[in-house]
Amino acid sequence: EPEVTQTPSHQVTQMGQEVILRCVPISNHLYFYWYRQILGQKVEFLVSFYNNEISEKSEIFDDQFSVERPDGSNFTLKIRSTKLEDSAMYFCASSQVRLAVYNEQFFGPGTRLTVL
Amino acid sequence: GENVEQHPSTLSVQEGDSAVIKCTYSDSASNYFPWYKQELGKRPQLIIDIRSNVGEKKDQRIAVTLNKTAKHFSLHITETQPEDSAVYFCAATRRGKLIFGQGTELSVKP
Repeated sequence: EPEVTQTPSHQVTQMGQEVILRCVPISNHLYFYWYRQILGQKVEFLVSFYNNEISEKSEIFDDQFSVERPDGSNFTLKIRSTKLEDSAMYFCASSQVRLAVYNEQFFGPGTRLTVL
Repeated sequence: GENVEQHPSTLSVQEGDSAVIKCTYSDSASNYFPWYKQELGKRPQLIIDIRSNVGEKKDQRIAVTLNKTAKHFSLHITETQPEDSAVYFCAATRRGKLIFGQGTELSVKP
């Protein structure tokens, strides 16, 4: 069964450094998402992406964040200057349709980001 | 803004008992309501979902009910087993952006 994959599984960085988290969505999916989960808390929406542009973003997704689909398979989340509070598990998700009645999202295994 | 409230935050049941988790949502335009199970350190896994034009859906030991008028939906697990122990999240969406509840840590004691 196809799965969303993410790399790396764990990223440790110094405050102020840039990080890029990578995701490979399921191949025939068209909608891509990033979520984050601070340890012990709920999953929070960051951004959705379709047709090479951002569809929607949350207030968390400020100017320090950006997303890109650099080729036909990868979907990346960049944090330009990391802060301590960016430490969290970041999940990528993808779905096949959005405007249909339902839009099941499949989650990747996550990247644990630790900012020191 | 959009919000999903989930209760209880923790739930402990004996093996074989039923478990019920309840969620309420604020956006009346929400049309899709998935439930995810998350084991420690793992990704959220979809276990069941329901659309806004359906009142109830069942899949073996798991069922979900939706009351659109009251804007709440519930997860029912019957004949619980120790492997059901995990954190369960409800979510609601109308445009793909999933709004999650706070999670319920379910513990099934053998």
